[in-house]
Amino acid sequence: DARVTQTPRHKVTEMGQEVTMRCQPILGHNTVFWYRQTMMQGLELLAYFRNRAPLDDSGMPKDRFSAEMPDATLATLKIQPSEPRDSAVYFCASGPGTGNEKLFFGSGTQLSVL
Amino acid sequence: AQSVTQLDSQVPVFEEAPVELRCNYSSSVSVYLFWYVQYPNQGLQLLLKYLSGSTLVKGINGFEAEFNKSQTSFHLRKPSVHISDTAEYFCAVRDTGFQKLVFGTGTRLLVSP
Repeated sequence: DARVTQTPRHKVTEMGQEVTMRCQPILGHNTVFWYRQTMMQGLELLAYFRNRAPLDDSGMPKDRFSAEMPDATLATLKIQPSEPRDSAVYFCASGPGTGNEKLFFGSGTQLSVL
Repeated sequence: AQSVTQLDSQVPVFEEAPVELRCNYSSSVSVYLFWYVQYPNQGLQLLLKYLSGSTLVKGINGFEAEFNKSQTSFHLRKPSVHISDTAEYFCAVRDTGFQKLVFGTGTRLLVSP
């Protein structure tokens, strides 16, 4: 079965450290989304890409977060420097880009910043 | 901009009872509507979607939802729930043009024997 792969599944780090989360979208999908899930805020859209170009990253704190797609098979989300309030589950999702299709979600990266 | 409101953060129900999870949306443009389910420690999976046509949409696992344009609602229903339906359910809206998918805060469905 085709699936979205996220690594690492879990990450524990200390405040101030850089964190990099990776996502491999389903082959052939041209839209990629990054969401953050917390108990308080639910699922927040951080950024999304179409054909590797960022279309909307208004939900992302610009001073410490960055999202890129170096190639069609890899999306990255970086936090530098990380803070305890960044602790959350980060999900990546991909879709074929027709607009009405479902998104396929990865299993998430659970980040804990101490 | 679109927004989604899920009025209930948690819905407890007994097994084999019917359930309705409420969702209201706000948008100035035409939208597509979705329900996703999240089981513990997993990502989200699509339950069903409304794109156009019949306002009653059937999805997987016996769930269905009805689109009501006048009330801007897309409530999810199941006539008889199972223990295995215990999960978090998210309503989502996506505009037909810009394609940004926005989720509600989720409703935790707790099914007990």
